[in-house]
Amino acid sequence: SQQGEEDPQALSIQEGENATMNCSYKTSINNLQWYRQNSGRGLVHLILIRSNEREKHSGRLRVTLDTSKKSSSLLITASRAADTASYFCASEGGSEKLVFGKGTKLTVNP
Amino acid sequence: DAMVIQNPRYQVTQFGKPVTLSCSQTLNHNVMYWYQQKSSQAPKLLFHYYDKDFNNEADTPDNFQSRRPNTSFCFLDIRSPGLGDAAMYLCATSIGGNQETQYFGPGTRLLVL
Repeated sequence: SQQGEEDPQALSIQEGENATMNCSYKTSINNLQWYRQNSGRGLVHLILIRSNEREKHSGRLRVTLDTSKKSSSLLITASRAADTASYFCASEGGSEKLVFGKGTKLTVNP
Repeated sequence: DAMVIQNPRYQVTQFGKPVTLSCSQTLNHNVMYWYQQKSSQAPKLLFHYYDKDFNNEADTPDNFQSRRPNTSFCFLDIRSPGLGDAAMYLCATSIGGNQETQYFGPGTRLLVL
């Protein structure tokens, strides 16, 4: 399977704390993307990092990419209860297809 | 607002009774995708269209078929739903070519009785 792995599978933190999720993938990529999914809903694109980039920021999100280790991390700073959701990484290696990781379920407690 | 629309949001069907899920988009994107997502799992790509070119994933069961009559619409047909086909079905679009973000609809949750 080309599916990547994410860890942790579940993460529970308090509002205001930072949340870090990690993702590993198996094949070479053009880019890696992070998506968010609220319970019972579709996925929403958060951020895309290209294979020649090492770090990218968007608001409270910070993504890093290490192509030598085939890994990426997503950091959400100053978390809010509204950040409660599942977060998926998705690697793009060509042919318009994404390979999704298994996801991290984040719970932010008020 | 430009978007990806899926109807219905919830679909109940009987074991073995054909069912069709629909997806439409106002983004005018070239590529449309169908994913299956089971509880607490990652979305699994079933197939995608680049314009009218159909691309089937190797492990997509023959029970699943798709139609894209025009740029805006794409349908997922499940010929003989089994209990194992109960899942969330997600439609997504992208502009096309590599390195593109995908835009997802809200999904259709299928229940098979």
